[in-house]
Amino acid sequence: DTGVSQDPRHKITKRGQNVTFRCDPISEHNRLYWYRQTLGQGPEFLTYFQNEAQLEKSRLLSDRFSAERPKGSFSTLEIQRTEQGDSAMYLCASSLGAGLRRGYEQYFGPGTRLTVT
Amino acid sequence: AQSVAQPEDQVNVAEGNPLTVKCTYSVSGNPYLFWYVQYPNRGLQFLLKYITGDNLVKGSYGFEAEFNKSQTSFHLKKPSALVSDSALYFCAARGDNDMRFGAGTRLTVKP
Repeated sequence: DTGVSQDPRHKITKRGQNVTFRCDPISEHNRLYWYRQTLGQGPEFLTYFQNEAQLEKSRLLSDRFSAERPKGSFSTLEIQRTEQGDSAMYLCASSLGAGLRRGYEQYFGPGTRLTVT
Repeated sequence: AQSVAQPEDQVNVAEGNPLTVKCTYSVSGNPYLFWYVQYPNRGLQFLLKYITGDNLVKGSYGFEAEFNKSQTSFHLKKPSALVSDSALYFCAARGDNDMRFGAGTRLTVKP
C-alpha cells in the first residue's frame, strides 16, 4: 500500500505526558499537512510543510504543539504536557505542489486517535 | 478569512433517487474547492475538485459538483444514490496557506 500511513493508530496517555505521532506521506508528495478532527466536526488545519520547510504554523493550537519534517520525508507531531482537551483524531495528509500552486488534492492517512485520561 | 459552510447536518434520500449535499464558501481570490468522503473507521477520501474551467465537475463514484460563483456554492450531486454512498461528506476550500473544511454532512441512503 503506497498511501499515507500514520503511527500509532491509537494512543492513550495520561494528562501531562508528552506524545509524538508519525506520518509517512506518499513518496512523491512534497507537501505534508497536519489536522485535528474532533467528533462532529470537520478537520481543523494545524500546519503544513513543503519539503522540509514549515510554511505555516500559526494555526498550531498552542505552543505545546510542534511539528517537524527534518528530511522532507516523514513528519512528526508532538504534543507536550497533554491536556484532556487534546483528545481528538490527528490526521496527516500529503499532496503534490510547489510555489503558490494550490489546486492539488490531499490524500489523507487513517489518523491517530489520542485519548488523554 | 475564508470559510466553508455545510448547512445540512444530515441528508436522507432513498436509493435510486438523486442526491444533493450543499456547500457554500467564502474565499478571497480564486476559489479552490474540494469534496471529500469519510467512511466509518477510514480516512478521508478525495472525490473531486474545482480549480477553474467548467462549472460542472465530475469525480469518483459517479459524483459531480456544480460550482456557482454568483451564489458562492459548490453543491455535490449524484443522479442516482446507492446505499453504499452512505457516509460523511466534507466540503473544503484551499487558502494561501491552509485548508478550511465544513463541519460535514451525514448522508444516509435508505433501500
